[in-house]
Amino acid sequence: AQKITQTQPGMFVQEKEAVTLDCTYDTSDPSYGLFWYKQPSSGEMIFLIYQGSYDQQNATEGRYSLNFQKARKSANLVISASQLGDSAMYFCAMREGAGANSKLTFGKGITLSVRP
Amino acid sequence: DAGVIQSPRHEVTEMGQEVTLRCKPISGHDYLFWYRQTMMRGLELLIYFNNNVPIDDSGMPEDRFSAKMPNASFSTLKIQPSEPRDSAVYFCASRGIQETQYFGPGTRLLVL
Repeated sequence: AQKITQTQPGMFVQEKEAVTLDCTYDTSDPSYGLFWYKQPSSGEMIFLIYQGSYDQQNATEGRYSLNFQKARKSANLVISASQLGDSAMYFCAMREGAGANSKLTFGKGITLSVRP
Repeated sequence: DAGVIQSPRHEVTEMGQEVTLRCKPISGHDYLFWYRQTMMRGLELLIYFNNNVPIDDSGMPEDRFSAKMPNASFSTLKIQPSEPRDSAVYFCASRGIQETQYFGPGTRLLVL
């Protein structure tokens, strides 16, 4: 079974509108972390936001927020007030394990295109 | 502060040649990760180190791939001999006490 699932096809959003990128995960580990990374066409991987499994509040970082629904095992990324520069590939990732044994598993990614 | 540094940024080589990719992690980070990204397989973890010691190399595709971390500020990923199917973008990432991994700019490898 896939640990991280990102099934949306390419997403389109109008500039200045909000968009939600879906991510579901599968783990039996009670302690885990969820991440979102952005990969623009230039190729670098840019960290956006992190949510720990025990965090009570949904994580927010500027225009990015993570809609964490633990019971549903989903960690959707919400981008508010989309900008043209948000056009990129977005990856959801999960950290399982702790300490030296922790590593990230990435989803396949979602392409977001922001229309002017 | 400088981020993760990778070299070269681009590498074109012929099948059978040895390829060495280099990485300098963020100072103070004690974890270093090597990933490979392809269209077909996405982003795959190849190997990672903690305090210069390899912890998990289960993602290394075969014996042609090897990685070393001789000190806290330098790591290499070597492919010998290289094959066309090794063509990919190779990322190095590092992390410290915090959970977040920070990625280098990647090395785009093309094996002809």
